[in-house]
Amino acid sequence: DTGVSQDPRHKITKRGQNVTFRCDPISEHNRLYWYRQTLGQGPEFLTYFQNEAQLEKSRLLSDRFSAERPKGSFSTLEIQRTEQGDSAMYLCASSTGQGETQPQHFGDGTRLSIL
Amino acid sequence: AQSVTQLDSHVSVSEGTPVLLRCNYSSSYSPSLFWYVQHPNKGLQLLLKYTSAATLVKGINGFEAEFKKSETSFHLTKPSAHMSDAAEYFCVVSPAGQLTFGSGTQLTVLP
Repeated sequence: DTGVSQDPRHKITKRGQNVTFRCDPISEHNRLYWYRQTLGQGPEFLTYFQNEAQLEKSRLLSDRFSAERPKGSFSTLEIQRTEQGDSAMYLCASSTGQGETQPQHFGDGTRLSIL
Repeated sequence: AQSVTQLDSHVSVSEGTPVLLRCNYSSSYSPSLFWYVQHPNKGLQLLLKYTSAATLVKGINGFEAEFKKSETSFHLTKPSAHMSDAAEYFCVVSPAGQLTFGSGTQLTVLP
């Protein structure tokens, strides 16, 4: 068990640029989740996948946000035309099975700073 | 809808004294509840989970939590705090696997 891996750990970019983050889940986990955490708050759910299928995406913050998991393994989260308010920690988690009772294992996150 | 309320945003204890972090939940049915801990600039680590098998749940690092349906509570306790316990703690409910986090409790441990 090598844990959930996220890359990069930190990203600094100018407003208006596009950014993409990568998440590699624990290898046997079929569910993958994305969360956003702003300073002083708990994480908020964005979207999740079961294998390559994106089962919930209505909670993505705007149409500038999109996520993929093309082969059911790693996932990417893209933010287009970044805005100041996008500055946050973006967390990825993975789990087995149906998810409701299975604990989610989190990566260390990608911290995004918008200049 | 399911939600959790963490009653204290900050808790400060002396090393070696008991820890109590309070959480109330709202759910129309028996929920799945978790406590996670987050150290600075790190991801979240699962402390323990409740999934209706037993009302007293033991977790890692000496933490435990008791599910009380009559009080809709799921408070986190530890008999004796260590300096390494200083972190942010989140009470979490899991509707359909999409974790809903409380606002967090920052635990400070004084020497």
